[in-house]
Amino acid sequence: GENVEQHPSTLSVQEGDSAVIKCTYSDSASNYFPWYKQELGKRPQLIIDIRSNVGEKKDQRIAVTLNKTAKHFSLHITETQPEDSAVYFCAATANRDDKIIFGKGTRLHILP
Amino acid sequence: EAQVTQNPRYLITVTGKKLTVTCSQNMNHEYMSWYRQDPGLGLRQIYYSMNVEVTDKGDVPEGYKVSRKEKRNFPLILESPSPNQTSLYFCASSLSAGNQETQYFGPGTRLLVL
Repeated sequence: GENVEQHPSTLSVQEGDSAVIKCTYSDSASNYFPWYKQELGKRPQLIIDIRSNVGEKKDQRIAVTLNKTAKHFSLHITETQPEDSAVYFCAATANRDDKIIFGKGTRLHILP
Repeated sequence: EAQVTQNPRYLITVTGKKLTVTCSQNMNHEYMSWYRQDPGLGLRQIYYSMNVEVTDKGDVPEGYKVSRKEKRNFPLILESPSPNQTSLYFCASSLSAGNQETQYFGPGTRLLVL
């Protein structure tokens, strides 16, 4: 079955700098890769996603890149702000009527 | 307001006492699922359902049951809870594209099994 590895588990960056979180997946059939943000005490919420027919997607300060050959995808946050402090989860899915496999999460700290 | 609701939000119980956590969505979503969240382990899918009367095991189904008798409801049943089921539980739902669309999460249920 699918396995999703996420790194790093914790990341601290200075406010205004960029943050990068990486995920690798094992199932070459996976074709949908969402990223969720979970603020302290809140529920996870989708921030960006990418499908396997696209190599990169951007939404303001957030971007996701996908390398199907290497089976890895990354979340890039530029010009980080205090409100970016949260836990971020990547996930991978293959068929629409199948399970969702999440990474173990990255706790991002934005330092003042 | 479009939303996913869970009840109860907090629950303390004892080993072996059957419990049910309810989940309901008012968005006419087809795909619903349950997750547990544990420190260092992230979100792990317990069960999911593509539609009424269709349920499947996720990654960690042992010790749990679900049912999908109506499209809007997807209760999680612990027939004989054990301390290792102490966790934060989330219900989620999504549109017809199932697991390949945005998952809308409920507020979470924090369960402590003594």
